[in-house]
Amino acid sequence: EAQVTQNPRYLITVTGKKLTVTCSQNMNHEYMSWYRQDPGLGLRQIYYSMNVEVTDKGDVPEGYKVSRKEKRNFPLILESPSPNQTSLYFCASRTGTHGYEQYFGPGTRLTVT
Amino acid sequence: GQQVMQIPQYQHVQEGEDFTTYCNSSTTLSNIQWYKQRPGGHPVFLIQLVKSGEVKKQKRLTFQFGEAKKNSSLHITATQTTDVGTYFCAGKNTNDYKLSFGAGTTVTVRA
Repeated sequence: EAQVTQNPRYLITVTGKKLTVTCSQNMNHEYMSWYRQDPGLGLRQIYYSMNVEVTDKGDVPEGYKVSRKEKRNFPLILESPSPNQTSLYFCASRTGTHGYEQYFGPGTRLTVT
Repeated sequence: GQQVMQIPQYQHVQEGEDFTTYCNSSTTLSNIQWYKQRPGGHPVFLIQLVKSGEVKKQKRLTFQFGEAKKNSSLHITATQTTDVGTYFCAGKNTNDYKLSFGAGTTVTVRA
């Protein structure tokens, strides 16, 4: 089954404790993204990657890091989480770069206290 | 940078009625996509519009792309309880690879 998986699905952590949210897709997609969803703000892109070893900042990259060492994986790293990073995070992937449908993962609900 | 505005933010609909949600971009788009997110779920792709003035239908859903490729609309007829959720538009700029999402229209249905 074609899918995007994320882990963990839920995470409660404390300020400053480094964490990684994993994302993996089995569709051989070149393009992957991370979004955060907050009430009234929709989906805001954090980082995206057009292929292996190619990443770039989205609209809200501060406080986040990513890497793309393999085509299927695109982890999101929070080196020093803060309460304003409490949010619902989605990983997404799509084929190519020119406007094809995106497949979203199930989401990760992160709470930073 | 590109901004995509979506209205209304909330839509409360009586079952059986029609409604429309609108999406407006500050820049010309190469295409626009629509997604639906059920409560507690993740966004799911509905459709993509590419051509100026394009109209596409999916059963009770009608999607339209404006002539200037700066706005779009989603019209749902005879709303059902299965239509509950948040509908997002996402516009792709003509000169980069990013999709910019609107804030979404959250639809609730009164039976």
